[in-house]
Amino acid sequence: QVQLVQSGAEVKKPGSSVKVSCKASGGTFSSYTISWVRQAPGQGLEWMGRIIPILGIANYAQKFQGRVTITADKSTSTAYMELSSLRSEDTAVYYCAASIAAAGEDYWGQGTLVTVSS
Amino acid sequence: EIVLTQSPGTLSLSPGERATLSCRASQSVSSSYLAWYQQKPGQAPRLLIYGASSRATGIPDRFSGSGSGTDFTLTISRLEPEDFAVYYCQQYGSSRYTFGQGTKLEIK
Repeated sequence: QVQLVQSGAEVKKPGSSVKVSCKASGGTFSSYTISWVRQAPGQGLEWMGRIIPILGIANYAQKFQGRVTITADKSTSTAYMELSSLRSEDTAVYYCAASIAAAGEDYWGQGTLVTVSS
Repeated sequence: EIVLTQSPGTLSLSPGERATLSCRASQSVSSSYLAWYQQKPGQAPRLLIYGASSRATGIPDRFSGSGSGTDFTLTISRLEPEDFAVYYCQQYGSSRYTFGQGTKLEIK
């Protein structure tokens, strides 16, 4: 059973960047695909991107291409999502999720609220 | 990117009734890599169905998924009070995953 613990809530100014961490325990980190999903207040789920730690390859949604960077540190079983050029519309809860699609394994972090406000 | 369109937007039913939720893709979903999630207020999403029709661990058998290509369905055979929530489909058959906009299942 994998547990994902995310970093705490953040308040950021427009134009700045935020970096959210997601530390995994209880599983083989490199075996999972780590995705980042966000949810604005009262809105649906929005997939931002993913990384496969064993390959070090990241893919991003077109909407966030050039503004988001997802990395993974296998030595600490921690994934990171950095979003730059923040605007008010980026205010949301950001989730990390670890999955092995073929096996139906799917674990989520507790979510990190990022508030962008001047 | 593959666009997923869910219908209806809101479904009003009573406990004990059958729920049918639809998810249509803008192009064929590779290898039926289609998942369904349930989300309740203040909680992270919970995986119900993967591979279009396989139930995730611990999911009751009243939940079933079907479909292939561009048309997928989540069926809840007999609604329990705890099933009223928002449901999302997600495709993971391409390198860029996408979610549908969600269907809210509410008590009638």
